[in-house]
Amino acid sequence: DTEVTQTPKHLVMGMTNKKSLKCEQHMGHRAMYWYKQKAKKPPELMFVYSYEKLSINESVPSRFSPECPNSSLLNLHLHALQPEDSALYLCASSQVGGGDEQYFGPGTRLTVT
Amino acid sequence: GENVEQHPSTLSVQEGDSAVIKCTYSDSASNYFPWYKQELGKRPQLIIDIRSNVGEKKDQRIAVTLNKTAKHFSLHITETQPEDSAVYFCAASNNNAGNMLTFGGGTRLMVKP
Repeated sequence: DTEVTQTPKHLVMGMTNKKSLKCEQHMGHRAMYWYKQKAKKPPELMFVYSYEKLSINESVPSRFSPECPNSSLLNLHLHALQPEDSALYLCASSQVGGGDEQYFGPGTRLTVT
Repeated sequence: GENVEQHPSTLSVQEGDSAVIKCTYSDSASNYFPWYKQELGKRPQLIIDIRSNVGEKKDQRIAVTLNKTAKHFSLHITETQPEDSAVYFCAASNNNAGNMLTFGGGTRLMVKP
């Protein structure tokens, strides 16, 4: 299985809602990532988990809260988002260490109203 | 931190022609350079990558060259086909300092039949 899956595919939420994005992989990868991608822009790294521990947080606002409950799952909890947070949220995974391909999931298209 | 610049932002070629996309990076410690293709509404997919101990790599119609001294790398697509139309992103990473990919701004390639 060389696939990263993400749910939901689309999400519309109000600014006072709490929601979660989910990501799953069964490739035995021990590094997992969240990226944010705005239209016509490259993916921007948000968080990196290595061996289920948060290793990189790219100064992301606290309204985004990542969680890695086990080596196959990665969640992104959302609370009190702003309309400018509307974007495609991509999950990726890879082996830990040098120069290994990051496999991307299909993304969750998030709209904040 | 790393900064990756990519040119051109759009590229239109006739089917069968070659396409070249160029990237420069700022961090001389970067040692892994992947290229991703992203079709509209889909996930980024790795098409080729190169490590800093190699100057050139080829896979069928796709090749990548790396000049470490000048800190630039390029993607070459020969005999372009309409299905090559997509957005292409270069990226750079120092995998001795964590699995962080920094992406270039992207190139929208259009192959006219």
